Amino acid sequence: QVQLQESGPGLVKPSQTLSLTCTVSGGSISSGGYYWSWIRQHPGKGLEWIGYIYYSGSTYYNPSLKSRVTISVDTSKNQFSLKLSSVTAADTAVYYCARGKYGDYVSWGQGTLVTVSS
Amino acid sequence: QSVLTQPPSASGTPGQRVTISCSGSSSNIGSNYVYWYQQLPGTAPKLLIYRNNQRPSGVPDRFSGSKSGTSASLAISGLRSEDEADYYCAAWDDSLSASVVFGGGTKLTVL
Repeated sequence: QVQLQESGPGLVKPSQTLSLTCTVSGGSISSGGYYWSWIRQHPGKGLEWIGYIYYSGSTYYNPSLKSRVTISVDTSKNQFSLKLSSVTAADTAVYYCARGKYGDYVSWGQGTLVTVSS
Repeated sequence: QSVLTQPPSASGTPGQRVTISCSGSSSNIGSNYVYWYQQLPGTAPKLLIYRNNQRPSGVPDRFSGSKSGTSASLAISGLRSEDEADYYCAAWDDSLSASVVFGGGTKLTVL
């Protein structure tokens, strides 16, 4: 069974870039057939989809975040990553990586809290 | 304001049947599959229902999903204390700003 694990700084300063990595184990990203997504959850709030990537590098982002988001994949390390630029306090959230595309997220990471604060 | 509308809370007693609604529009629920998630405190969401009414392996048949037009429902029968959690619906939205959209979540309390 595939497992996902987020990693990255838990504290980011305002205006800087948030960077997270999701390491996949128990399955290969490059085997194809699956999309890999980032989803976030503001404290005490609901879920917000950020975007997805395919092993080929094809991406699609939430239009509301598109100008600030970059998702990339490193098949050699079996990882995919999220970069969110020009962060503000409103970007403070638990960030999850997951396998899935249109809402069919069977596998999730445990989530990592990122706080934006000076 | 979430694109999909859920009641903020629901409750029931052990053994009861509870339903949670999810209302959307023609660009999301009306034309795409609906997914349901259960989120226990401090944990990642868990997929309960996919493609409107399908259960992943390991999900008890006490959980069932349905869809009609631009609305969907999650039903939980034989309510148990461990079902106390937040529940979210999700769907792809085909509008000009195409994206995955979620409901705001429903907090289920087992009395």
